Amino acid sequence: EADIYQTPRYLVIGTGKKITLECSQTMGHDKMYWYQQDPGMELHLIHYSYGVNSTEKGDLSSESTVSRIRTEHFPLTLESARPSHTSQYLCASSVGTEAFFGQGTRLTVV
Amino acid sequence: EDQVTQSPEALRLQEGESSSLNCSYTVSGLRGLFWYRQDPGKGPEFLFTLYSAGEEKEKERLKATLTKKESFLHITAPKPEDSATYLCAVHLSGGYNKLIFGAGTRLAVHP
Repeated sequence: EADIYQTPRYLVIGTGKKITLECSQTMGHDKMYWYQQDPGMELHLIHYSYGVNSTEKGDLSSESTVSRIRTEHFPLTLESARPSHTSQYLCASSVGTEAFFGQGTRLTVV
Repeated sequence: EDQVTQSPEALRLQEGESSSLNCSYTVSGLRGLFWYRQDPGKGPEFLFTLYSAGEEKEKERLKATLTKKESFLHITAPKPEDSATYLCAVHLSGGYNKLIFGAGTRLAVHP
């Protein structure tokens, strides 16, 4: 069973607030990812990291930012939340080609 | 353009009624094809990886197969607990570990 954790599971927040979505894994994986998924839609890659101090933007443009100061931790930050940011955010880590996903954070911006 | 298409979008089965889900792909270079199961409000759970045409993998009532253009997920004698969304993703060669996901097939198995 994969050990990758996301907090919070659910978040409702007002427009303009700064938020950080947490993602941690205990498997020592170097590669980590953030995906965005709207209901009934595909997962889209928004950020990825190959290791400490390595972060890159994914295919889907996002106003969020990420950091990778420790191998096990890959937080995602939105400086000023907007209703268009309402979505599910999924964190994953991988070894080889197999990716393990967290439970996700469902974000609602009102 | 790299693309993954899953069909049908939704499938309703009676318990015990076998069927297949399809994942067709058009990509520049394939390193692997993945099947995931996703329950509502949860992250995807890994099921299978297939690397080359002709390869097959099985797990309980599920069997995944791969050709050069598509993959099938066969469900034999499904049970209500098999109800979920099944996602297909392709891993592209070159660059980073890029996965392109399909939109999924929502499977509902009724007793």
